[in-house]
Amino acid sequence: NAGVTQTPKFQVLKTGQSMTLQCAQDMNHEYMSWYRQDPGMGLRLIHYSVGAGITDQGEVPNGYNVSRSTTEDFPLRLLSAAPSQTSVYFCASSFDGPDTGYTFGSGTRLTVV
Amino acid sequence: EDKVVQSPLSLVVHEGDTVTLNCSYEVTNFRSLLWYKQEKKAPTFLFMLTSSGIEKKSGRLSSILDKKELFSILNITATQTGDSAIYLCAVPRSGNTPLVFGKGTRLSVIA
Repeated sequence: NAGVTQTPKFQVLKTGQSMTLQCAQDMNHEYMSWYRQDPGMGLRLIHYSVGAGITDQGEVPNGYNVSRSTTEDFPLRLLSAAPSQTSVYFCASSFDGPDTGYTFGSGTRLTVV
Repeated sequence: EDKVVQSPLSLVVHEGDTVTLNCSYEVTNFRSLLWYKQEKKAPTFLFMLTSSGIEKKSGRLSSILDKKELFSILNITATQTGDSAIYLCAVPRSGNTPLVFGKGTRLSVIA
């Protein structure tokens, strides 16, 4: 079991570029979420999914897009990168919802210049 | 609005000290409260609390929930340098929506 795998681990983008952060899990978890972590701000929810074909917005969705075509994969797309999106991004998954806790990926550190 | 507030935001202690980290919450239809430890990378699960007054314990770490006063504490006894981390508290939001996290407490344990 690989758990939750995020790629890449590090990325530098120029303002205006687009990219996709990958997240895959092999635990057959229905529930997946994307968070961003900024100094002093804790973890803030970007988007989440309760199953294949179902996604919804979190607290800070602007500038990001997601899709969930399979149970395993939940990619996060940055449409036009901005310096304000410089952050560490975590993908998390859970078998049956948030109550029982998440398994987190190791994170992607993104810098937008 | 669902909210989690942690205090203190940072703390420096010496090895061997005992520390108490605080987490207060406001959420509609409370179901559970979770504690995570974050070292260099991803948060790792410590405890899930659902009932008031029942202490959860793992080695030198313990946690308890007070549903009447809407808070939880995480205690670490005989701290070690390996306890240095950010400790995160989180609660599920209403419905089936994901966890809302506090800002975390950054604990530094010095030898």
